[in-house]
Amino acid sequence: GAGVSQSPRYKVAKRGQDVALRCDPISGHVSLFWYQQALGQGPEFLTYFQNEAQLDKSGLPSDRFFAERPEGSVSTLKIQRTQQEDSAVYLCASSLFSEEQYFGPGTRLTVT
Amino acid sequence: KQEVTQIPAALSVPEGENLVLNCSFTDSAIYNLQWFRQDPGKGLTSLLLIQSSQREQTSGRLNASLDKSSGRSTLYIAASQPGDSATYLCAVIAAGNKLTFGGGTRVLVKP
Repeated sequence: GAGVSQSPRYKVAKRGQDVALRCDPISGHVSLFWYQQALGQGPEFLTYFQNEAQLDKSGLPSDRFFAERPEGSVSTLKIQRTQQEDSAVYLCASSLFSEEQYFGPGTRLTVT
Repeated sequence: KQEVTQIPAALSVPEGENLVLNCSFTDSAIYNLQWFRQDPGKGLTSLLLIQSSQREQTSGRLNASLDKSSGRSTLYIAASQPGDSATYLCAVIAAGNKLTFGGGTRVLVKP
């Protein structure tokens, strides 16, 4: 079966541009997570959805970051007015409920 | 706040040697612990998940132990192969379902 997919795989943005990153979770998975991974570091939690409800957004680094999952399946992470410090790999994961999380390949964002 | 540490940060071994990767966490109130593998430029592949009530999990050449009271987990990889070269990450889940990751151990297995 299909795993978690993310698009685009690579994104280059000029500083100040808005970007939108998409995540397609495994079909039927209730929980969806976004993580940010800086070069050479472990991923850090950004936000968590259960179905369409955003239950935890404590990891979003600023109000320029916004995530949604309007129909409880596909999710979009939006970053407004991108800054150089936003350059990272953005990982999406899904799980059936709260057990093992399955990760997508990530989107590598470079802000120039 | 939960903190997860992995030591060493990098490890190089000759092919055939056993690998021992360490993970420690500061808050023992966890639901489970998960070990992942990450290849360069790729996402994370789940290797093993240990529930908080378990002491260890095994899959093929991989064995992971968990000592919740002391805040430690160890991943053993038997008879390492060059294809085992990757970064290995451990992560814990506590209340709130989010994973808290260590910084990873970068492994190189030399032929």
